Amino acid sequence: AQSVAQPEDQVNVAEGNPLTVKCTYSVSGNPYLFWYVQYPNRGLQFLLKYITGDNLVKGSYGFEAEFNKSQTSFHLKKPSALVSDSALYFCAVRDREGSNDYKLSFGAGTTVTVRA
Amino acid sequence: GAGVSQSPSNKVTEKGKDVELRCDPISGHTALYWYRQSLGQGLEFLIYFQGNSAPDKSGLPSDRFSAERTGGSVSTLTIQRTQQEDSAVYLCASSLGLAGLSYEQYFGPGTRLTVT
Repeated sequence: AQSVAQPEDQVNVAEGNPLTVKCTYSVSGNPYLFWYVQYPNRGLQFLLKYITGDNLVKGSYGFEAEFNKSQTSFHLKKPSALVSDSALYFCAVRDREGSNDYKLSFGAGTTVTVRA
Repeated sequence: GAGVSQSPSNKVTEKGKDVELRCDPISGHTALYWYRQSLGQGLEFLIYFQGNSAPDKSGLPSDRFSAERTGGSVSTLTIQRTQQEDSAVYLCASSLGLAGLSYEQYFGPGTRLTVT
C-alpha cells in the first residue's frame, strides 16, 4: 500500500519569506515522489520529481524539494515566496516496485497563501 | 496537441441521466489515467490505460462507471444513472511511460460534473 500525508491544510507566508510545504509518505518499496500545483479552476501542473540520486531536486518556478529516506519525507521549499505562488499544492507518491507502480497516490493538498 | 485536453469543461446533468466525459492525451503518450477530485475525498485514482487496455479498474467506484480508450489515444469515461455523489471534477492525465518507469503524469484542466 502507498499513501501520502500533508499535515498542514494551509500555509500562510509573507512575500519574500521562505516557503515550506510538508509531505511524508509511506510505501512498501522505494518511492517515486512528485509535487504538483493547482491554480483555481485549472488542472494539476507538474513541479518536480524525485527518482533517484541527489536528495535535493530542483523544479519549476524556483521550487525545490528534499528527499529524506530516514524520515520518509519530501518537503517542498522555495527560498523567497511570491504572491503568484498562492495555490493548492499536492504531494504524490508511486511505489517503484509492485503491481501498482503506475498509480499515483496523492496527499490531501495544502493551500498556500502568500500575502503582499 | 500541446497538452491534455478534456471536454466538456463543465457538465450539469439531472440525477439518473448518463454522461460521457472525453480526454485527449498528449500525442505519443501511451499511458492514460482518470482521477476524481472532490471536496470530501481529495484526489482519487479511477482507472489506468496502457494502450487500449485497462489493467486496473479497481478504482472505479461502482459498476455505473466505465471507461474505454480507442486507437491508443482518446478516452471516454461514462457514468450511467448519475447520482448526486458523482458530482466532482474529473481529471485526466497522460504519461510517456510504461509501468515501472518514472515518467510524470501530465494533467488536463478537468471536467466539472454537477448532478442536480
